[in-house]
Amino acid sequence: NAGVTQTPKFQVLKTGQSMTLQCAQDMNHEYMSWYRQDPGMGLRLIHYSVGAGITDQGEVPNGYNVSRSTTEDFPLRLLSAAPSQTSVYFCASSFNRADNSPLHFGNGTRLTVT
Amino acid sequence: DAKTTQPNSMESNEEEPVHLPCNHSTISGTDYIHWYRQLPSQGPEYVIHGLTSNVNNRMASLAIAEDRKSSTLILHRATLRDAAVYYCILRDETSGTYKYIFGTGTRLKVLA
Repeated sequence: NAGVTQTPKFQVLKTGQSMTLQCAQDMNHEYMSWYRQDPGMGLRLIHYSVGAGITDQGEVPNGYNVSRSTTEDFPLRLLSAAPSQTSVYFCASSFNRADNSPLHFGNGTRLTVT
Repeated sequence: DAKTTQPNSMESNEEEPVHLPCNHSTISGTDYIHWYRQLPSQGPEYVIHGLTSNVNNRMASLAIAEDRKSSTLILHRATLRDAAVYYCILRDETSGTYKYIFGTGTRLKVLA
């Protein structure tokens, strides 16, 4: 199993550009989520999904869109990048929301917006 | 969402036990207590979780207060590889939101 795979590892954008951060998991996990981590800070929840076709907002959803058309994939879209979105982005998934199975994290995408 | 409070940082000597505290005074009866840690330049990794009883696994032990308003993560013998940020998180199983809300965590420094 590859676990949770995030691409790209690094990305530089100019203000106003759009892009999609990819997240895929091969563990048949129902629950998937996106976090951002600013320097020296903890993780903040952007969006999450409890299954295909279902998404919901986290703590800091503004400026980001998500969709969940398949169980495996949970892409995060930045519609118009801003310098305030410079951060490290982590995708995480868990097998079954009802049994407290642990979150599995990807290795992160480091995004810089200039 | 119930919140947790942790010290910003702690230090420990190598091969000594470490007790990492977490306060969660607004915890509800259905909130599970989870601990994760984040090594430098990596994503967080699961450590342990529990509801009411103390829990042990190969990585650590979790001691939960009787009133559940606090808990302690115990690393029995700290090694240099345990230097990380440790997050205490509450997860509500009944709200339907299934959100894991991370705080700023405790940065553990292990001294050789």
